[in-house]
Amino acid sequence: QVQLVQSGAEVKKPGASVKVSCKASGYTFTSYHMHWLRQAPGQGLEWMGIIFSSGTKTRYAQNFQGRVTMTSDTSTRTVYMELSSLSSEDTAMYYCAREYDATYRFDYWGQGTLVTVSS
Amino acid sequence: QSALTQPASVSGSPGQSITISCTGTRSDVGGYNYVSWYQQHPGKAPKLMIYEVSNRPSGVSNRFSGSKSGNTASLTISGLQAEDEADYYCSSFTSTYSYVFGTGTKVTVL
Repeated sequence: QVQLVQSGAEVKKPGASVKVSCKASGYTFTSYHMHWLRQAPGQGLEWMGIIFSSGTKTRYAQNFQGRVTMTSDTSTRTVYMELSSLSSEDTAMYYCAREYDATYRFDYWGQGTLVTVSS
Repeated sequence: QSALTQPASVSGSPGQSITISCTGTRSDVGGYNYVSWYQQHPGKAPKLMIYEVSNRPSGVSNRFSGSKSGNTASLTISGLQAEDEADYYCSSFTSTYSYVFGTGTKVTVL
């Protein structure tokens, strides 16, 4: 069965960086793109960007340009999202979600990783 | 990219039907048939309920249906059940190759 398992909760200080992982299993890893989204406490969902199935091409939401980096390790079937220059406004649940090629929908989601930014 | 507009809350009694609207622009909802709907229970990850405006993934109840007219998409839940109580979000692909989500709707089963 398809599973996306994310790394555990993180607490970071303002100005620091965080790197969240998402390990995939149960499907052909290289056939699916992976997206990252986040949800601040009590708020809605926000799309952060995509790493394409090739593992080398990415596209980031304008709000995160210059601050986010998404990478992929095919050998371990793991994708990563690193967010830098953290502020309290980055406190949120971060999700990975997969998309089959050009279907524009997120059919499976990770369980989420809570990132708390606090001094 | 501004969030798509959804009503903050919708309620209904068991067995009734409710409809949630999702209003965007020609650059997102109105321009593409790539509108999805997600259900989110408290403390859980979102779950895909509808894709490409009106298609249901395997395993999703046929009580859930979707439609679109112009810049507004809609999700209808018929035969409302207690388990349907959750937050619902619409999402659309956009002209800038990004995704925008709705503001979210809390569905309450009375």
